[in-house]
Amino acid sequence: GEDVEQSLFLSVREGDSSVINCTYTDSSSTYLYWYKQEPGAGLQLLTYIFSNMDMKQDQRLTVLLNKKDKHLSLRIADTQTGDSAIYFCAETPRAGGSYIPTFGRGTSLIVHP
Amino acid sequence: KAGVTQTPRYLIKTRGQQVTLSCSPISGHRSVSWYQQTPGQGLQFLFEYFSETQRNKGNFPGRFSGRQFSNSRSEMNVSTLELGDSALYLCATTGDQETQYFGPGTRLLVL
Repeated sequence: GEDVEQSLFLSVREGDSSVINCTYTDSSSTYLYWYKQEPGAGLQLLTYIFSNMDMKQDQRLTVLLNKKDKHLSLRIADTQTGDSAIYFCAETPRAGGSYIPTFGRGTSLIVHP
Repeated sequence: KAGVTQTPRYLIKTRGQQVTLSCSPISGHRSVSWYQQTPGQGLQFLFEYFSETQRNKGNFPGRFSGRQFSNSRSEMNVSTLELGDSALYLCATTGDQETQYFGPGTRLLVL
């Protein structure tokens, strides 16, 4: 199938690290993405990783990719209350030449003081 | 560059009516995709337009249609609205590395 799976909720204390996990299904995806959605807004691209990489760091964000297990994670260091949002993992399968991304259901990150 | 814009931002309609939503992509982006987001189903792909042609289509009934103009602006139309069509409708354009740039969405409430 084309399911991208994520846990629905994550609660962390301000200042701690958050780790959001995702499993995907299509090994042909060239890129894998993390998007953030704040209340009342559209999705905002946070970061992406090329499928031949296993790690990418961008300031407080670290993306880890395990292609063998089709597992993607997003680590947010020093999590702040402003990081509270829904985080979506996405892949772009190559089936049929289409590049339409498949999104997970999103993980709601709740940051409490 | 200006981002993706969508109008209107909020809309209230009644069952049986029709609605047209508009999306203006980032300048230079020719691909426009539409998504429906609901709490129950998550983010679901409706269709994608490229150079005024529908290039991909999701699994939605024929009541959902769209089009794209020569300036890449796109509209989507939903006819004979049903209560279940209440959702956030998101438009996105495609940039480098196939990344999607989303607009703020149109929130549609069907009564």
